[in-house]
Amino acid sequence: EAQVTQNPRYLITVTGKKLTVTCSQNMNHEYMSWYRQDPGLGLRQIYYSMNVEVTDKGDVPEGYKVSRKEKRNFPLILESPSPNQTSLYFCASSLGWQALYEQYFGPGTRLTVT
Amino acid sequence: GQSLEQPSEVTAVEGAIVQINCTYQTSGFYGLSWYQQHDGGAPTFLSYNGLDGLEETGRFSSFLSRSDSYGYLLLQELQMKDSASYFCASSNDYKLSFGAGTTVTVRA
Repeated sequence: EAQVTQNPRYLITVTGKKLTVTCSQNMNHEYMSWYRQDPGLGLRQIYYSMNVEVTDKGDVPEGYKVSRKEKRNFPLILESPSPNQTSLYFCASSLGWQALYEQYFGPGTRLTVT
Repeated sequence: GQSLEQPSEVTAVEGAIVQINCTYQTSGFYGLSWYQQHDGGAPTFLSYNGLDGLEETGRFSSFLSRSDSYGYLLLQELQMKDSASYFCASSNDYKLSFGAGTTVTVRA
């Protein structure tokens, strides 16, 4: 089954404790992206990657890191989480940047930072 | 930056027609997408307009006017399962920017 998977689905952590949210897709997609969703703000793009070893900042990159060492994986790293990073996070992928209008989303990771 | 405006809420009865408008101000605009998200779920792609005009996909249609920086999503023959949030999104400069979303509530 073609899908985007994320882990963990739920995470409660404390301020300053480094964490990684994994994302993997099995559709051989070139373009991958991370979003955060907060009430009333829609989805905001954190980082995106057009291909292996090619990443760039989205609209809200502060406090996040990403890497793209393999085509299928695109982990999101929070080096020192803070309470304002409490949010619902989605990973997404598309065939390529030319088709980024049609993105396939993972199930989401609900993160709480206390 | 990118800016997309859409109404926050719409309520309608089963069988009705709902139009969700989206106005945008973006640079490097390629086209307008629409996504549906049920409560707590992942957004799913509904439609895309890369050119001006109407695109029809079953009960849903989407329209784009580049000259007016405006688009809409039309939901016809509303069903209870259409109760969800709907987002317009503009693709530009290798990024996808979303509006804040419109919550559609369908009443029996």
